Amino acid sequence: GEDVEQSLFLSVREGDSSVINCTYTDSSSTYLYWYKQEPGAGLQLLTYIFSNMDMKQDQRLTVLLNKKDKHLSLRIADTQTGDSAIYFCAVTDSNYQLIWGAGTKLIIKP
Amino acid sequence: DTGVSQDPRHKITKRGQNVTFRCDPISEHNRLYWYRQTLGQGPEFLTYFQNEAQLEKSRLLSDRFSAERPKGSFSTLEIQRTEQGDSAMYLCASSRTGGGYGYTFGSGTRLTVV
Repeated sequence: GEDVEQSLFLSVREGDSSVINCTYTDSSSTYLYWYKQEPGAGLQLLTYIFSNMDMKQDQRLTVLLNKKDKHLSLRIADTQTGDSAIYFCAVTDSNYQLIWGAGTKLIIKP
Repeated sequence: DTGVSQDPRHKITKRGQNVTFRCDPISEHNRLYWYRQTLGQGPEFLTYFQNEAQLEKSRLLSDRFSAERPKGSFSTLEIQRTEQGDSAMYLCASSRTGGGYGYTFGSGTRLTVV
């Protein structure tokens, strides 16, 4: 079946940029999302990108899409302690249902 | 509209008991999804509805699980004869039909089976 892969952990220093990567297998994925989950909470939609775009910027967040390599990344500029969370990559299948990665835990070092 | 609401937030039950969870989606969303999430994992799809019709159920969903969405509004997820392996966070999400909108998630119901 279709698959979405993410590394499990990323550790960055406060104030640095964080780059969270994701690879997927479904070449028909039309929409690609990043969700954030804080401890004990539900999933919060951060941003998304349409498959005909290669970049989208929203304040401190930059999403890059390399459709040829099926690679998606989320860059968080000036990482703050409040950015500590698990970040999930999700892509749509042909029925617009989401296929999820296992999440990347972002750890902020002071 | 305040978003997707789930009730209860936490449920502790004894093995073998039945439990029911409720989800109230965003009113203009016609799709409603149920997911299960265990620690360190991404959301695992259980089932989804378009309006009142249940269009897909995961193969992982045993016959002890049943979901309904009468009148295409709120939804309930019932687990019969709970087992310890059912302990997880149960997440509900809603969306409009089609892509680009993403899913809006509720805060989840954490189930602990003892």
